[in-house]
Amino acid sequence: AQKVTQAQTEISVVEKEDVTLDCVYETRDTTYYLFWYKQPPSGELVFLIRRNSFDEQNEISGRYSWNFQKSTSSFNFTITASQVVDSAVYFCALSEARRGYQKVTFGIGTKLQVIP
Amino acid sequence: GAGVSQTPSNKVTEKGKYVELRCDPISGHTALYWYRQSLGQGPEFLIYFQGTGAADDSGLPNDRFFAVRPEGSVSTLKIQRTERGDSAVYLCASSSGDYNEQFFGPGTRLTVL
Repeated sequence: AQKVTQAQTEISVVEKEDVTLDCVYETRDTTYYLFWYKQPPSGELVFLIRRNSFDEQNEISGRYSWNFQKSTSSFNFTITASQVVDSAVYFCALSEARRGYQKVTFGIGTKLQVIP
Repeated sequence: GAGVSQTPSNKVTEKGKYVELRCDPISGHTALYWYRQSLGQGPEFLIYFQGTGAADDSGLPNDRFFAVRPEGSVSTLKIQRTERGDSAVYLCASSSGDYNEQFFGPGTRLTVL
């Protein structure tokens, strides 16, 4: 069975601070995909990134960066110089490739509040 | 282009009633997923369609829940004899391929009184 743990349920930071959202996953598969989604107060899930298990390169996209470490089964997400618009619930998620499709398991989410 | 749309955006019903929730995927997307998001939780997988067929319905909680996609496009999630515990946001997502990004709709918030 696959499982995603986001231990931080809520985080508050002051604008311009950096913040890291933690994600730990469990899977028996060797081939899998990891995701981060953003859910702003409007409710719609916004895709941020997908990584496959064979690609451990860290990725940077603007103020966002992701650190994937298979050795610790972690896929952490860092926002640099946070902004108020970053306030949202962030979900880490996992799907196992063996199924032939993406049956995505989500974590419980981390609610990020950026204070001006 | 248009994204995934879901109707209604809100549905309030009484315990024991029947409800239908509709999902219009992005045109041309063959894969369609339904998820349920309870308050304070992440979305939970319900069912996956590839074309017209339900390839995986293992997430449906019980036989009161059923979903169809008769023409391989629009899908309807049907809930019979609703219970208060069914109250949640029901999310639909579509994808152009099995391993491609899932695009989510805005969800239908179902409240069972």
